[in-house]
Amino acid sequence: DAGVTQSPTHLIKTRGQQVTLRCSPKSGHDTVSWYQQALGQGPQFIFQYYEEEERQRGNFPDRFSGHQFPNYSSELNVNALLLGDSALYLCASTQGVAYEQYFGPGTRLTVT
Amino acid sequence: GNSVTQMEGPVTLSEEAFLTINCTYTATGYPSLFWYVQYPGEGLQLLLKATKADDKGSNKGFEATYRKETTSFHLEKGSVQVSDSAVYFCALMAAGGTSYGKLTFGQGTILTVHP
Repeated sequence: DAGVTQSPTHLIKTRGQQVTLRCSPKSGHDTVSWYQQALGQGPQFIFQYYEEEERQRGNFPDRFSGHQFPNYSSELNVNALLLGDSALYLCASTQGVAYEQYFGPGTRLTVT
Repeated sequence: GNSVTQMEGPVTLSEEAFLTINCTYTATGYPSLFWYVQYPGEGLQLLLKATKADDKGSNKGFEATYRKETTSFHLEKGSVQVSDSAVYFCALMAAGGTSYGKLTFGQGTILTVHP
């Protein structure tokens, strides 16, 4: 049973560019959440998708947007990249709004 | 708003030593509490959880008890191993309201265990 997968593993972008990160949830899961983990910090909630809609959102600017597809996979898009967007981006999936969220290995984004 | 505070680290121990990592939280109602572990270069893995007051979560020799009166969820292990070296995160999920389904994390505690 495949767990949560994310792609790419690493990414290097230049300030002002746009980036798309991808996540496939664990089999049987229909809810995907995205978190940003800056170096040396705990993960910060970005948003959560359920039934292809953004269910709730953390304190992130509109430059951060997402999408969920009918197969429950999800994308995170970040526009107009800033140096401060450099971080590990984690995707987590769950069945409904259950307590236990399963995390993927993350995508390491570096903005230069 | 909800918040989680972990003891300042890092923590360095010798193998077979006793481990305690303190975690306190601020939240309304009765949140669910979690400990996650992150090994180098990997994502987060759920270590243990507790969903109501006085519950004890346990896994792989680690334990934590949900203390409503002190708003705490301290992580303990009686005898650590080198393989326990990792970053440990305390987290909560609100019981309801607008934050339901969202995890709020502490800043993490780096644990290093020497042979």
